[in-house]
Amino acid sequence: SAVISQKPSRDICQRGTSLTIQCQVDSQVTMMFWYRQQPGQSLTLIATANQGSEATYESGFVIDKFPISRPNLTFSTLTVSNMSPEDSSIYLCSVGLMGTEAFFGQGTRLTVV
Amino acid sequence: QKEVEQNSGPLSVPEGAIASLNCTYSDRGSQSFFWYRQYSGKSPELIMSIYSNGDKEDGRFTAQLNKASQYVSLLIRDSQPSDSATYLCAAPQGGTSYGKLTFGQGTILTVHP
Repeated sequence: SAVISQKPSRDICQRGTSLTIQCQVDSQVTMMFWYRQQPGQSLTLIATANQGSEATYESGFVIDKFPISRPNLTFSTLTVSNMSPEDSSIYLCSVGLMGTEAFFGQGTRLTVV
Repeated sequence: QKEVEQNSGPLSVPEGAIASLNCTYSDRGSQSFFWYRQYSGKSPELIMSIYSNGDKEDGRFTAQLNKASQYVSLLIRDSQPSDSATYLCAAPQGGTSYGKLTFGQGTILTVHP
């Protein structure tokens, strides 16, 4: 498995502001993924962060709201822009190893007030 | 129909009993399935992966896959209070690899002493 470090682990933010979440992996990986887990819900994929190209977003998620960077094979950031209380969720970074298995960072618990 | 469904509501079993968790999927092309355990406030942890029809055992955990019925299950033998968590079934999206997953809604398991 990979060691995935995600920060911040939690934050409380004012509506209208932006928060950038960082994800660092201890080995080089081709693709990294960002998920959202709303309160009491399961995980929903936001986007795939590809090194050297733009991120690929899932239906319902747009780049203006969730810009993603992937400057190298071990690091990615997700920004939650112009936040509203509906953005209060846990945001999770993951990587896929050994074929299709995915491993997760510890998550960022975001509360927007 | 959701691609991956976990229809059973919260499950409560006594310590030492067998807990049975179920999952169905809609994509007949899916080749692999995963069970994640998520403790409250924590990120998902991979506990089982299964790629072929039949049973796969790992300690107290047994995953069962029936591709004809599009059905995946997880059995936990000798359930312990420490097994109390949300269990998430997942499958790769569109047959892709490297960890791009669709998750079921999750089943909350409580093991009471």
